[in-house]
Amino acid sequence: AQKITQTQPGMFVQEKEAVTLDCTYDTSDPSYGLFWYKQPSSGEMIFLIYQGSYDQQNATEGRYSLNFQKARKSANLVISASQLGDSAMYFCAMREDTGGFKTIFGAGTRLFVKA
Amino acid sequence: EAQVTQNPRYLITVTGKKLTVTCSQNMNHEYMSWYRQDPGLGLRQIYYSMNVEVTDKGDVPEGYKVSRKEKRNFPLILESPSPNQTSLYFCASGDFSYEQYFGPGTRLTVT
Repeated sequence: AQKITQTQPGMFVQEKEAVTLDCTYDTSDPSYGLFWYKQPSSGEMIFLIYQGSYDQQNATEGRYSLNFQKARKSANLVISASQLGDSAMYFCAMREDTGGFKTIFGAGTRLFVKA
Repeated sequence: EAQVTQNPRYLITVTGKKLTVTCSQNMNHEYMSWYRQDPGLGLRQIYYSMNVEVTDKGDVPEGYKVSRKEKRNFPLILESPSPNQTSLYFCASGDFSYEQYFGPGTRLTVT
């Protein structure tokens, strides 16, 4: 069954340091996409990064990179050089591409960046 | 400006009074979706639509209806709202590539 697990309800990181947010998933579909979204306290959902199941290289977008380990079914988000503005809720999500575009989200990780 | 709009942004209603939350996108996206967000549960998909007149159930469709008569609009209908439908609702759209564009959210309270 389709499932996303984020095991870290909350995390602290010092400003300018790197942080890894964990995400594991479960699916039987060979074709799927993995996403990370940021939700600041203002409430909007901001797309950060995407990784396709057939992509050979890990996705990167500026300070965000996705550490994709297919065999382990993990898709961890790495934020380099954390900034105070990175304090937010982060959601991992998965979309199975076969039989429709159903999407599931993890419960989220709240990140606190300390000055 | 490319955007997804939702109305109303805030709504307080009573049990059983039918309501509709509108969603509209101006990006000509074929894919649209509704989610609800509850503390500790993340976002859960209610319904999604891959094209006009094509809709499918997500994980939590009970108590909700949708329609997709036009490409740009995807309203969410609660025929008989109940307190357990109190939540933050998001509409999203996309073009099947990967990114979904989210609306600003609608905070619904059912008393």
